[in-house]
Amino acid sequence: AQSVTQPDIHITVSEGASLELRCNYSYGATPYLFWYVQSPGQGLQLLLKYFSGDTLVQGIKGFEAEFKRSQSSFNLRKPSVHWSDAAEYFCAVGARDDKIIFGKGTRLHILP
Amino acid sequence: NAGVTQTPKFQVLKTGQSMTLQCAQDMNHEYMSWYRQDPGMGLRLIHYSVGAGITDQGEVPNGYNVSRSTTEDFPLRLLSAAPSQTSVYFCASSYDRDGDQPQHFGDGTRLSIL
Repeated sequence: AQSVTQPDIHITVSEGASLELRCNYSYGATPYLFWYVQSPGQGLQLLLKYFSGDTLVQGIKGFEAEFKRSQSSFNLRKPSVHWSDAAEYFCAVGARDDKIIFGKGTRLHILP
Repeated sequence: NAGVTQTPKFQVLKTGQSMTLQCAQDMNHEYMSWYRQDPGMGLRLIHYSVGAGITDQGEVPNGYNVSRSTTEDFPLRLLSAAPSQTSVYFCASSYDRDGDQPQHFGDGTRLSIL
């Protein structure tokens, strides 16, 4: 069965600092991988997705993620965070003929 | 372009009351689903539908009913509200049920059961 683990419940970074949010998945074949962001009081919005090809994918709002098959990871990165990036971030894994599964989320706090 | 619309945004109920959370999408998506979000628990799938007339249970279906009479609408019914159902409920839709399809989410319904 597929699963998704986000090891960090909370992450705090200073504005302007770099960011990396971790995501590990478990799935037998190559999964479809997603990152979503949830701003306070809002639903989830898709940041980026990986299906195949280039292992470094670019998303909206300056985010990128790298698929590492050997580590079963799909970490989200941003070179310089802004106060508006404070939100909860969800990693998700899906597969053909199977439902998408979400991680439990990482809440990002930004220090001024 | 409305996307996924959920109503109401907020609701307070007393234990034992029933109510229906509405969800509508205008993207002609076949797959629709309901999640609840609780602190530290992430998103848990309640029920889902792969098309009009077809529904199935997710991870936490007890105490909830769904129906899908049209492609656009997927209401969630609480039969007899309990305090454990206090949560934020999200409706989502995608083109089909395949896990390669991005999910489109509504803004949520915040439900409190007293």
